[in-house]
Amino acid sequence: DIQLTQSPSFLSASVGDRVTITCRASQDISSYLAWYQQKPGKAPNLLIYGVSILQSGVPSRFSGSGSGTDFTLTISSLQPEDFATYYCQHLINYPLTFGGGTKVEIK
Amino acid sequence: EVQLEESGGGLVQPGGSLRLSCAASGFTFSDHYMDWVRQAPGRGLEWVARVRNRPNSYTTEYDTSVKGRFTISRDDSKNSVYLQMNSLKTEDTAIYYCARGSRTGRDFDYWGQGTLVTVSS
Repeated sequence: DIQLTQSPSFLSASVGDRVTITCRASQDISSYLAWYQQKPGKAPNLLIYGVSILQSGVPSRFSGSGSGTDFTLTISSLQPEDFATYYCQHLINYPLTFGGGTKVEIK
Repeated sequence: EVQLEESGGGLVQPGGSLRLSCAASGFTFSDHYMDWVRQAPGRGLEWVARVRNRPNSYTTEYDTSVKGRFTISRDDSKNSVYLQMNSLKTEDTAIYYCARGSRTGRDFDYWGQGTLVTVSS
């Protein structure tokens, strides 16, 4: 099974900050990497797929990069509505695992 | 508008069974793979199972933790996907989400709001 390790697991930041979350895969997952945002009590929401392709309707302050085993989600200027938990997921083979999550809280 | 609505959650004793349903609308259901993902209280997301579409013979995949106990199925005539859960364990307690596999095969592009399953005596 492919393991996805997210870091940090917790992040405290201020509005306007640039935030970077990393996701490391235990083996090469090519470009089969997606990012989701989840707010308390809500279902996850797709942000990025194929490593760097922004889902329709997602603000351009979100971006994704990386290849192979190392990936990054960046929020260029954190907004109040961005405080949430973020998950990466691989879809290259089964099981389709998620990272452990990164909770972004207000400093 | 794409909508996914889960139902069938509830309280069940260890060793018991439960069948979850997910009703889909707003898209051509038969075109898409469908998945179940769960989230234990205060924990992260865990993929559970997938059922492919008709061109891919409705084949299925399962996480190791549920293989042999859970069965995913679909009824394209009813735009619905199901999760039959048998031999339930306390560690199966979670919110169960239905999710749509996108056409790119690289994400889950729509999710339902989830249904809570509690396994407890």
